Amino acid sequence: AQSVTQLGSHVSVSEGALVLLRCNYSSSVPPYLFWYVQYPNQGLQLLLKYTSAATLVKGINGFEAEFKKSETSFHLTKPSAHMSDAAEYFCAVSGRYSSASKIIFGSGTRLSIRP
Amino acid sequence: DAGVIQSPRHEVTEMGQEVTLRCKPISGHDYLFWYRQTMMRGLELLIYFNNNVPIDDSGMPEDRFSAKMPNASFSTLKIQPSEPRDSAVYFCASSTSYGYTFGSGTRLTVV
Repeated sequence: AQSVTQLGSHVSVSEGALVLLRCNYSSSVPPYLFWYVQYPNQGLQLLLKYTSAATLVKGINGFEAEFKKSETSFHLTKPSAHMSDAAEYFCAVSGRYSSASKIIFGSGTRLSIRP
Repeated sequence: DAGVIQSPRHEVTEMGQEVTLRCKPISGHDYLFWYRQTMMRGLELLIYFNNNVPIDDSGMPEDRFSAKMPNASFSTLKIQPSEPRDSAVYFCASSTSYGYTFGSGTRLTVV
């Protein structure tokens, strides 16, 4: 069974400040891990994904995430927040060796940016 | 590439009516997924297909829900009869490798 837990349903940071969104995963098989972003009234857009090539994964819009097996974590960071980063962010997991590629999503973290 | 196309974007219907949501996946993608998003339950996987064959429908909430994929370019999610608690945003997504492309969703309101 696989699952992800996102710590904090709402995170608020000042413009220009560090963004840190936390995600811990549980998986009985080596996982693939993802971060998705959802802007209001839109579908989900892939930010980045971890597939074991490198533990530090760089994504779009300046975001990156680091896979830490010892901590079962895959936290999302961005050095300097921009107003346009305000959105809902979802961490997700799927099994690497599963013949089925279904992805399980976390409950989401709403990121607000203060001017 | 037009992406994953869902229709309609918004649907308002009365309780008891049949509702059909439609999805056109990206050409060449062999997986198709239906998700439901609500404030209370977040993103729930309802059902997914591989090469037009349903693989896992364990997320379908009740027998009132059914999904079909008659060919590689079209899928439907039907609710009959609809109930107010079915109100949600329904997303379709397709993929050919790990990492989906989502449609813009159908916002369903059952009154």
